[in-house]
Amino acid sequence: SQELEQSPQSLIVQEGKNLTINCTSSKTLYGLYWYKQKYGEGLIFLMMLQKGGEEKSHEKITAKLDEKKQQSSLHITASQPSHAGIYLCGASTYSGGGADGLTFGKGTHLIIQP
Amino acid sequence: EPEVTQTPSHQVTQMGQEVILRCVPISNHLYFYWYRQILGQKVEFLVSFYNNEISEKSEIFDDQFSVERPDGSNFTLKIRSTKLEDSAMYFCASSEALLYSPQETQYFGPGTRLLVL
Repeated sequence: SQELEQSPQSLIVQEGKNLTINCTSSKTLYGLYWYKQKYGEGLIFLMMLQKGGEEKSHEKITAKLDEKKQQSSLHITASQPSHAGIYLCGASTYSGGGADGLTFGKGTHLIIQP
Repeated sequence: EPEVTQTPSHQVTQMGQEVILRCVPISNHLYFYWYRQILGQKVEFLVSFYNNEISEKSEIFDDQFSVERPDGSNFTLKIRSTKLEDSAMYFCASSEALLYSPQETQYFGPGTRLLVL
């Protein structure tokens, strides 16, 4: 079965600083999803990456999928208090599409210090 | 903006009792999912549902669990005889069925926190 390893497990960053979260898969990724979760709440979709080398940005968050499609990074520029939360990577290893259940990493807890 | 809704937000039940968790997926979505997250652990896939039947299920989704689309808007997860270890946050998710799209973005609801005593 697929395993997703996220690093770091937790991160404390001063407001305004940049940060990077990584997600590594034991298998080739056909879809890599980044979600944000606030404590005790639902998952908010951020971005999905499918193609090797793909990069997407939304506001101050950029996500990349490496060429081999086994690692993704999430980069936040000029962090703000609103970025605090748990970042989860989720992955599909099925290329056929449809109702494929996602496997998730343990998450990275991000704290922004004012 | 359309969103997935879930009821109730919290449920407390006695061990051995049946519970039904309800979800209203986004209206034009055709794929539906249930996940659970035990406190402090990963989000785990339970089951996916399409065209009124189970599409995929995990090892967690045993005979104690069942899913149903009782009408055109609701999607339910039933746990027949709850155990202490069923205590978790249960998330419903839905996605579109896009033609020629190998991957579908899943949109999650806010969750139902189930506590089994």
